[in-house]
Amino acid sequence: GENVEQHPSTLSVQEGDSAVIKCTYSDSASNYFPWYKQELGKRPQLIIDIRSNVGEKKDQRIAVTLNKTAKHFSLHITETQPEDSAVYFCAAGSNQAGTALIFGKGTTLSVSS
Amino acid sequence: DVKVTQSSRYLVKRTGEKVFLECVQDMDHENMFWYRQDPGLGLRLIYFSYDVKMKEKGDIPEGYSVSREKKERFSLILESASTNQTSMYLCASSGSGSPDTQYFGPGTRLTVL
Repeated sequence: GENVEQHPSTLSVQEGDSAVIKCTYSDSASNYFPWYKQELGKRPQLIIDIRSNVGEKKDQRIAVTLNKTAKHFSLHITETQPEDSAVYFCAAGSNQAGTALIFGKGTTLSVSS
Repeated sequence: DVKVTQSSRYLVKRTGEKVFLECVQDMDHENMFWYRQDPGLGLRLIYFSYDVKMKEKGDIPEGYSVSREKKERFSLILESASTNQTSMYLCASSGSGSPDTQYFGPGTRLTVL
């Protein structure tokens, strides 16, 4: 079946460093790639998304890049802060009727000060 | 603001009981989803619905059923709860934009004894 692989599963950085999380997908029909952040005890919330007609999108300290040829996309967080500590999920979706987002297994990011 | 609510934050049930988890959204979203979240396994899709009275199986439908009689409400039913169904259950909804952002509820922590 369709699959999204996410790496690494855990990531520890020092405050101020950059963090990169990578995902690969298998369904060539995928054209929507959201990233969710889940803080401890809270619900997942969308932080940024990208559609297949662009290669990069930025929002302040976070950015997402997409390589459709290689079927991978990445989340980049610059100048990390302790409040960035959370579990991050990538996902892939398509226009096909009756389909749902496919999520990666998540990356636990720890930012130490 | 999109609001997705779930009937209980914490629930404790006995093995063999029938369990109902309710989810309500107030944004007139067509699509609704049920996930379970377990450490290291990410978000696994149980069932989803793209219209009233319609349902589609996700990755792990065994032991679960769903009901969607009204657009705003999506229920997850455990016909005979078992200990391996102890988990965090997350509901989500999304609009008709294909594909579209999913908004999550706060989750229900279910413990089956």
